[in-house]
Amino acid sequence: QVQLVQSGAEVKKPGSSVKVSCKASGGTFSSYAITWVRQAPGEGLEWMGRIIPLLDITNYAQKFQGRVTITADKSTSTVNMELSSLRSEDTAVYYCARRGSAYTQNWLDPWGQGTLVTVSS
Amino acid sequence: DIQMTQSPSSLSASVGDRVTITCRASQSISSYVNWYQQRPGKAPNLLIYAASTLQSGVPSRFSGSGSGTDFTLTISSLQPEDYATYYCQQTYSTPCTFGQGTNLEIK
Repeated sequence: QVQLVQSGAEVKKPGSSVKVSCKASGGTFSSYAITWVRQAPGEGLEWMGRIIPLLDITNYAQKFQGRVTITADKSTSTVNMELSSLRSEDTAVYYCARRGSAYTQNWLDPWGQGTLVTVSS
Repeated sequence: DIQMTQSPSSLSASVGDRVTITCRASQSISSYVNWYQQRPGKAPNLLIYAASTLQSGVPSRFSGSGSGTDFTLTISSLQPEDYATYYCQQTYSTPCTFGQGTNLEIK
């Protein structure tokens, strides 16, 4: 059973960058896509982007294009999400989740525990 | 981007009630809808995928239906542990957008 464990909470200054990691255990890492979703305090879920580690193919939401970079380290079964030029609106819990699929359908399961990123001067 | 509009935004119901949450897509998306449950302070949990397929381990009181633009999540008999926020998500095209959520509260 795949488990995703994320890195710990971060406090960052506006204009800086943050890197959040997501380590997979208990399953085949490379063949599944890992997706990043964020949730601002009291708000809903926002899809940011994903990577297929086997192929190193990434897909980002237009909103984050140019500011987000998702990478995979197959040797450690870890996916990293880096967000740059941080602003206060980026304060959120960031989740990674594995993209399961069958035929053309896909879904997110399981999810990591979430990483709180706080952007404050 | 495809917009997913959930209704209602919040709902009060009693244990044993039948509850229905609706999600409408801004364009036709076939059956490319998933439903998630999120309890406070926890990560979302997959309930239903492909509009109507129950995820393994999820109680059978949860069901999903719909195709095209209109989708529903139904809880046949509400249990105390079902009080949470529910989200729909479309996976027809990226970005795989979510609805704004439905907060299910105890009446």
